[in-house]
Amino acid sequence: DAGVTQSPTHLIKTRGQQVTLRCSPKSGHDTVSWYQQALGQGPQFIFQYYEEEERQRGNFPDRFSGHQFPNYSSELNVNALLLGDSALYLCASSGGLAGLNYEQYFGPGTRLTVT
Amino acid sequence: KNQVEQSPQSLIILEGKNCTLQCNYTVSPFSNLRWYKQDTGRGPVSLTIMTFSENTKSNGRYTATLDADTKQSSLHITASQLSDSASYICVVRSDYKLSFGAGTTVTVRA
Repeated sequence: DAGVTQSPTHLIKTRGQQVTLRCSPKSGHDTVSWYQQALGQGPQFIFQYYEEEERQRGNFPDRFSGHQFPNYSSELNVNALLLGDSALYLCASSGGLAGLNYEQYFGPGTRLTVT
Repeated sequence: KNQVEQSPQSLIILEGKNCTLQCNYTVSPFSNLRWYKQDTGRGPVSLTIMTFSENTKSNGRYTATLDADTKQSSLHITASQLSDSASYICVVRSDYKLSFGAGTTVTVRA
């Protein structure tokens, strides 16, 4: 049973470009959350997708957008990249919104470097 | 101000020694608290989860404690091993929102 997978592993982009990161949730999970983790910091919540809709959003600009597909996989898109967008982008999946003790399983992350 | 504060920011210990990491939170209402281990460049992996009524939870050489009255938690690592070198992140859940600490970086040296 594969856990959460993310692609690509590493990515280098130039300021102003656009990037798309991909995530496949753990088998049986239908909720995907995206986080940005700067070096030496804890993860910062970007947004969460459930039933192909954005259900919650953190304090990130509209340059950050996402999508969830019918098979529950998800994409994170970042437009007009800034140097400050350089970070490890983590995807986490869970088994639905219900239940206070649901656990999020994290993927290995995508390391984005903006030059 | 972050609602989850961890200390120390980093620490170095010798293999075989014990250490304790601290997590103080102001998140309210409280649902549960998790400790995650994150190896460099990898995603966090859950070590323990505690709800309001639980004071202690163990996972092998990792023991977490929770004092919901003072809103403090600790993670104790016993007989540290080189593989314990990682960042340890405290995450507090309030309803459907998760608040992450910045983590404590632990380096275990032979």
